[in-house]
Amino acid sequence: EAQVTQNPRYLITVTGKKLTVTCSQNMNHEYMSWYRQDPGLGLRQIYYSMNVEVTDKGDVPEGYKVSRKEKRNFPLILESPSPNQTSLYFCASSSRFGRDSGYEQYFGPGTRLTVT
Amino acid sequence: AQRVTQPEKLLSVFKGAPVELKCNYSYSGSPELFWYVQYSRQRLQLLLRHISRESIKGFTADLNKGETSFHLKKPFAQEEDSAMYYCALLTGGGNKLTFGTGTQLKVEL
Repeated sequence: EAQVTQNPRYLITVTGKKLTVTCSQNMNHEYMSWYRQDPGLGLRQIYYSMNVEVTDKGDVPEGYKVSRKEKRNFPLILESPSPNQTSLYFCASSSRFGRDSGYEQYFGPGTRLTVT
Repeated sequence: AQRVTQPEKLLSVFKGAPVELKCNYSYSGSPELFWYVQYSRQRLQLLLRHISRESIKGFTADLNKGETSFHLKKPFAQEEDSAMYYCALLTGGGNKLTFGTGTQLKVEL
């Protein structure tokens, strides 16, 4: 089954304790992206990656890091989490090539992070 | 810079009534627009895209470049349409998807 998976689904942590949220897709997609969803603000892009070893900042990259060492994985790293990073995080992937694909993004189930 | 505006946070309609979820965009290039839907406790999924001019679950959306709008419409709302709807604009050669703040549609019996 084609899908995007995220782990963990729920995480409660304390300020300053480094954490990683994993994202994996099995559709051989070139493009992957991370978003955070906050009430009243919708979804905002954190980082995206156009292919292996190619990443770039989205709209709200501060406090986050990413890496893309393999095509299928795109982990989100919070080196020193703070309470303002409490949010619902979504990973997404898509195929960049071919207008017919419409660049549809496939979303993971979300990771709810609470930083106390 | 590109921007997507969804002016209504919440839209409440009765079952069988017409639905229109508003979306306006700001972008200097040629826009590619999408509607995504998020049902309760489920992941976001694509509802429709303007380039395919399709109708999904009875919903349609027409791109109006003059008014820079991409409103989502359905003639008769169903209870199962209750969800959060996001309008999204694709730019940057397909690299950047900018979302609106979303509209919560509630269909009442």
